[in-house]
Amino acid sequence: DQQVKQNSPSLSVQEGRISILNCDYTNSMFDYFLWYKKYPAEGPTFLISISSIKDKNEDGRFTVFLNKSAKHLSLHIVPSQPGDSAVYFCAASAVRGAQKLVFGQGTRLTINP
Amino acid sequence: EAGVVQSPRYKIIEKKQPVAFWCNPISGHNTLYWYRQNLGQGPELLIRYENEEAVDDSQLPKDRFSAERLKGVDSTLKIQPAELGDSAVYLCASGLAGAFNEQFFGPGTRLTVL
Repeated sequence: DQQVKQNSPSLSVQEGRISILNCDYTNSMFDYFLWYKKYPAEGPTFLISISSIKDKNEDGRFTVFLNKSAKHLSLHIVPSQPGDSAVYFCAASAVRGAQKLVFGQGTRLTINP
Repeated sequence: EAGVVQSPRYKIIEKKQPVAFWCNPISGHNTLYWYRQNLGQGPELLIRYENEEAVDDSQLPKDRFSAERLKGVDSTLKIQPAELGDSAVYLCASGLAGAFNEQFFGPGTRLTVL
C-alpha cells in the first residue's frame, strides 16, 4: 500500500520556466511533509518542508503548497535552473509517529537549456 | 561540518554470502536511520535508533538482517545470508530527536547480489 504517491516518474521543463512537482498521500494522520532532492550517487538532501497547520511555505525559488482536503501537495520551482535537474522525493510523517518518514517513488526533473 | 559517512560505497557479492554496511552519523546526532531504496522507488525505513536503542525495527527482516549501534554513534547493518532481492541502495541518515523530521542522508551503499 503506497501511502505517498508521486504519479509522474519524470518531468521536463525549460530553463527559466516554472517546475511543478506533485505528490498525493492517503494517510490522514500525516501532518508534516518534506521534499528531498537527490543527485546521482548521492544521498537525498532536504529541500523544504511544511506543517499541516500551513498551506504554503516559501524558501527562495522553492514553494510548497499543501491542500489537506485533497491530500495533495506540490513543489514549485521558479525560475527553474539547470542545477535543479535531479530526482525529487516527497515524504510525509505523522508527528506522533516519532519521525518515521514515508517516501514517494520520486520524480526525475530535467531542466532543458 | 562532515556529513554522514557510509562505507563501502559499492558491494558486489554472490547470493548466500554475508555482507555488512557501516555508517558514521553527523557528530552530535542522536537519531540514526537505515533505509533501503529499490530501483525506481523511494527510501523505505528499515530501522531507527535513538542513541543505542532501536526504537522502530518493525520493517527490518529479522530472519536475515541485523543492526547494531554500539555506544550510540556508529552503526552497522548486516545481511546474512544475502538473497537476490536484497540488491538495492542502503542509505543511512541521522538527525536530532525533536528536530521535526529533518534527516541528513549519507551517499548510500549500492549492493548487488549475483
